[in-house]
Amino acid sequence: NAGVTQTPKFRILKIGQSMTLQCAQDMNHNYMYWYRQDPGMGLKLIYYSVGAGITDKGEVPNGYNVSRSTTEDFPLRLELAAPSQTSVYFCASSPPSTDGYTFGSGTRLTVV
Amino acid sequence: GQQLNQSPQSMFIQEGEDVSMNCTSSSIFNTWLWYKQDPGEGPVLLIALYKAGELTSNGRLTAQFGITRKDSFLNISASIPSDVGIYFCAGRVSGNTGKLIFGQGTTLQVKP
Repeated sequence: NAGVTQTPKFRILKIGQSMTLQCAQDMNHNYMYWYRQDPGMGLKLIYYSVGAGITDKGEVPNGYNVSRSTTEDFPLRLELAAPSQTSVYFCASSPPSTDGYTFGSGTRLTVV
Repeated sequence: GQQLNQSPQSMFIQEGEDVSMNCTSSSIFNTWLWYKQDPGEGPVLLIALYKAGELTSNGRLTAQFGITRKDSFLNISASIPSDVGIYFCAGRVSGNTGKLIFGQGTTLQVKP
């Protein structure tokens, strides 16, 4: 099993550019999440989804969009990249139970 | 919003020493989890706690779910160099979304 796969691993964007961070899981998990990690700040929830066709905002959604057309995929879209979006982005998935998440290995994004 | 305060922020210890870190919240959580993040990777679940007062071990790791449900601690005994990384506590938000709130993380460095 691949688990949670994130692509790309690294990316440098110029201010104002757009990009999509890809996330796919093969565990048939209903729940999927996008977090960003900044030094000393822990993980902040950007968006989440409890199933295909259902998405909702997390703690820090501004500047991002998501879609969930299938159970497996949960892409995160940045429309107009800003330096404040320089961060490491983690996608995670979980079954609808009290077990913890399975995280991807992250995408390190730099906006210059 | 809900926040978790994790301490200490960082620790630099000698191999063989025991380590203790804790997490407190102003809100009640029904599930506490502890994750470890190795450099360049996503966090990996170490221990999950589901009942107030519960004490759970995983090898050299021991974690407890506080009686008030507002705190948790993690102990690592006889530390080894591979214990290096960032440790996160997380509390599960009530409701059927699976959302987790993460602490700021404790960075552990172990000197051989």
